[in-house]
Amino acid sequence: DAGVIQSPRHEVTEMGQEVTLRCKPISGHNSLFWYRQTMMRGLELLIYFNNNVPIDDSGMPEDRFSAKMPNASFSTLKIQPSEPRDSAVYFCASTLGPRGNQPQHFGDGTRLSIL
Amino acid sequence: QQQVKQSPQSLIVQKGGIPIINCAYENTAFDYFPWYQQFPGKGPALLIAIRPDVSEKKEGRFTISFNKSAKQFSLHIMDSQPGDSATYFCAVVGVSSGSARQLTFGSGTQLTVLP
Repeated sequence: DAGVIQSPRHEVTEMGQEVTLRCKPISGHNSLFWYRQTMMRGLELLIYFNNNVPIDDSGMPEDRFSAKMPNASFSTLKIQPSEPRDSAVYFCASTLGPRGNQPQHFGDGTRLSIL
Repeated sequence: QQQVKQSPQSLIVQKGGIPIINCAYENTAFDYFPWYQQFPGKGPALLIAIRPDVSEKKEGRFTISFNKSAKQFSLHIMDSQPGDSATYFCAVVGVSSGSARQLTFGSGTQLTVLP
């Protein structure tokens, strides 16, 4: 079975550019999460969708960040304009159900470097 | 506000040793306590989890010990192997904001098992 698929795996871009990260959750999963991982702050939840609807975006750091889930098989996280402090590994995870006790399955992440 | 504190930050043991990683939480509303394992270049993967109505759970060489009154839980790895070298994250799940049940991760422990 295919796991959570993220693209690109690596992204290097200059400050001020728009960055779009993509995620395909596991088929049949109805909850999707975006996380950011840095050495300083560890793993942080950015936003959480249930049945394609954003439930909690309180972790989104600034208005420069936005996320969408147009259908059950695709989500994007967009940063516009990007800044060097956005450099991190961004993970997408999916799970079955909103209860939180089902294991979250993580993708292998997108390593983002903003120059 | 740090809801789960994890220690130590790093740990080095010899093959066959029993590394122990500790976590302490503050909010009694948490009701599910998973541990995740992360290898370099990969996303975290669920290793083992426990609910607060039991004091211990064992799966293979991995054991969670849970102390509800002290609000602490720990991961023990029996007969550790070099292949166990990874970063380990504890997490807590419970109602944190609105109605969303979310994972909140500890800061991680980098484990190295020497051959």
